[in-house]
Amino acid sequence: ILNVEQSPQSLHVQEGDSTNFTCSFPSSNFYALHWYRWETAKSPEALFVMTLNGDEKKKGRISATLNTKEGYSYLYIKGSQPEDSATYLCAKASGTYKYIFGTGTRLKVLA
Amino acid sequence: GAGVSQSPRYKVAKRGQDVALRCDPISGHVSLFWYQQALGQGPEFLTYFQNEAQLDKSGLPSDRFFAERPEGSVSTLKIQRTQQEDSAVYLCASSSSPERGATGELFFGEGSRLTVL
Repeated sequence: ILNVEQSPQSLHVQEGDSTNFTCSFPSSNFYALHWYRWETAKSPEALFVMTLNGDEKKKGRISATLNTKEGYSYLYIKGSQPEDSATYLCAKASGTYKYIFGTGTRLKVLA
Repeated sequence: GAGVSQSPRYKVAKRGQDVALRCDPISGHVSLFWYQQALGQGPEFLTYFQNEAQLDKSGLPSDRFFAERPEGSVSTLKIQRTQQEDSAVYLCASSSSPERGATGELFFGEGSRLTVL
């Protein structure tokens, strides 16, 4: 993997469903992995910053895991709500200020 | 201010016009970044400032792009002789301390959407 890749590109889920997305990245030169949520007409907001292999972080119904050896991170949303509708961006930090962003996963939660 | 502020939010320019996009970061934030997001793509790095020093401008696509942060706070991204391929959302982000390096979260503005006709 040369770039940061996110899958799926977009998905629709029903309210109450749980869902997950993937961020894949080159495992070399790893400093940190960031997740951001970007709602329409707003600014991207940080969800998690993860640095250690095996790291798991949780914020409410949202959690993330990190595998730096194989170069992937999963973001999980439990019991999706309409307010979770947003684009979820991941970014790999390959230096103290160099971030490579994925193209995002667009989530739509249907009421 | 409470957050990162960018202006204008929307700009329509005729091809060949010069544009200036402004970013007002969170007060006291040392690091400032500019990103370009084309339709369907992720944000791509343009340039990085630490206080007033532009430490990396390797992402600027051509010499028509110029960024400055003369007093270490507000930054301006200028694009001269705009072309259609410059149409994109330009995002500004700041972070508090370069000592935290990549572990410090980025605080983004809402972006400036540039459309070049």
